[in-house]
Amino acid sequence: GAVVSQHPSWVICKSGTSVKIECRSLDFQATTMFWYRQFPKQSLMLMATSNEGSKATYEQGVEKDKFLINHASLTLSTLTVTSAHPEDSSFYICSARDLIGGWETQYFGPGTRLLVL
Amino acid sequence: GIQVEQSPPDLILQEGANSTLRCNFSDSVNNLQWFHQNPWGQLINLFYIPSGTKQNGRLSATTVATERYSLLYISSSQTTDSGVYFCAGMRWEYGGSQGNLIFGKGTKLSVKP
Repeated sequence: GAVVSQHPSWVICKSGTSVKIECRSLDFQATTMFWYRQFPKQSLMLMATSNEGSKATYEQGVEKDKFLINHASLTLSTLTVTSAHPEDSSFYICSARDLIGGWETQYFGPGTRLLVL
Repeated sequence: GIQVEQSPPDLILQEGANSTLRCNFSDSVNNLQWFHQNPWGQLINLFYIPSGTKQNGRLSATTVATERYSLLYISSSQTTDSGVYFCAGMRWEYGGSQGNLIFGKGTKLSVKP
C-alpha cells in the first residue's frame, strides 16, 4: 500500500525556536497534502491544505505566519512551527492524497510529537 | 461543513466478542472512510466506503448513504484491535475546494484478554 513518511517522529525544543516537520509520499505522487493536529484523546483537526506549487489554504483559526507550509514537489510538504511555544505542543499528522487514485486514496503519516519546553 | 458523530465514545470488549461502531453524518458525503489509530498514533486506512458494504477479514463496513450513516463491524475481536476508530467524511461542492476529510471524535476500543 501507499506509504507516507514523516520526519522527525518526535522533537523536543525550547520555547522560541522553530521546528520543521517533513512529510513525504514514498511511492506515489500527491497533488494535495494535508496537515492535522491532534491533542491527547481528541480527534484530528485539519490545519491546512496544500497543493503542489501553490499557497496553502489554512483553516479558520490557524495562524499562517505561525505554521508555515511549503509543498515544493509532488512528494514533499513541510510544516514549520515558527517561534514555538508550549501551547504548540501536540501531535502533528500529515496526509497525502494520491494523484491517480483520487478522492478515496488519502494516506496518513505516522505523526510527529512536538514538545515545547 | 458537515458534522460527524460517532458512537459509542468508549467500548470495552472481552476477546472474541463482536461489536458495531456507528457514524452519523449531518449531510450527504462524497467520500467516507474508516480508520484505526493504533496506540503509537499511526492512522491505518480500513475502508473507503461512501456507500454499500465491504469486508476485509474480521472487519466489515456498511454505509447507507440515503440515511447518512455508516457502521463498522468487528467480529471475534482480538487485543490487537484495541485503539481508536475514526470515521471521516468529505463533501465536495462543485465550484468549491477539493474537499477535506472531517473526522468524528472516535470510538476508543479496548479489548481485554
